[in-house]
Amino acid sequence: DGGITQSPKYLFRKEGQNVTLSCEQNLNHDAMYWYRQDPGQGLRLIYYSQIVNDFQKGDIAEGYSVSREKKESFPLTVTSAQKNPTAFYLCASSTGWGGGQETQYFGPGTRLLVL
Amino acid sequence: AQSVTQLDSQVPVFEEAPVELRCNYSSSVSVYLFWYVQYPNQGLQLLLKYLSGSTLVESINGFEAEFNKSQTSFHLRKPSVHISDTAEYFCAVTLVNAGNMLTFGGGTRLMVKP
Repeated sequence: DGGITQSPKYLFRKEGQNVTLSCEQNLNHDAMYWYRQDPGQGLRLIYYSQIVNDFQKGDIAEGYSVSREKKESFPLTVTSAQKNPTAFYLCASSTGWGGGQETQYFGPGTRLLVL
Repeated sequence: AQSVTQLDSQVPVFEEAPVELRCNYSSSVSVYLFWYVQYPNQGLQLLLKYLSGSTLVESINGFEAEFNKSQTSFHLRKPSVHISDTAEYFCAVTLVNAGNMLTFGGGTRLMVKP
């Protein structure tokens, strides 16, 4: 089945620790995205990638980093510089970047909690 | 910059009653409009979208939304809800010909009661 997988489902971070969230898609999509979801605030864009080996900062990139070495993979690292990392993180992909009409397909999410 | 406002954070409704979830947007340029649905502890799924043409768009599970340019609104409606419609609904926009970055509203939690 084609789709987006995210792992782990739950992740615990200790103070000062970097953690990496995995996102893999087998939809052959060029564009991929990372969103952060907090209660009552909707989703906010962290990073996006239009194509492999390229990525851009979104609205709330501080304290996060990404890589896009393979078309199907777009891991997100939450660094120790992110002071309030507790949230639900969603990865998405779309066929292209284009004119804004492409549907984004979402993974099941990773819930990050701070110990 | 564009923004999306969902006026109701929660909407309780009885099963088989009609419902309207309100969405207003602000943008200085043309936008595309989307409604996504999120079931508990899951990712988002596209419900419907407006790109062009008829201002009334429908989904396969009975929801519909109408684009009103003069009121900058894209309200979501269903004439008769089911328990299974209980979920959080997000309205979102992208800017026409300016990439595929979604700007989301804060979400509306639809709670269908028996």
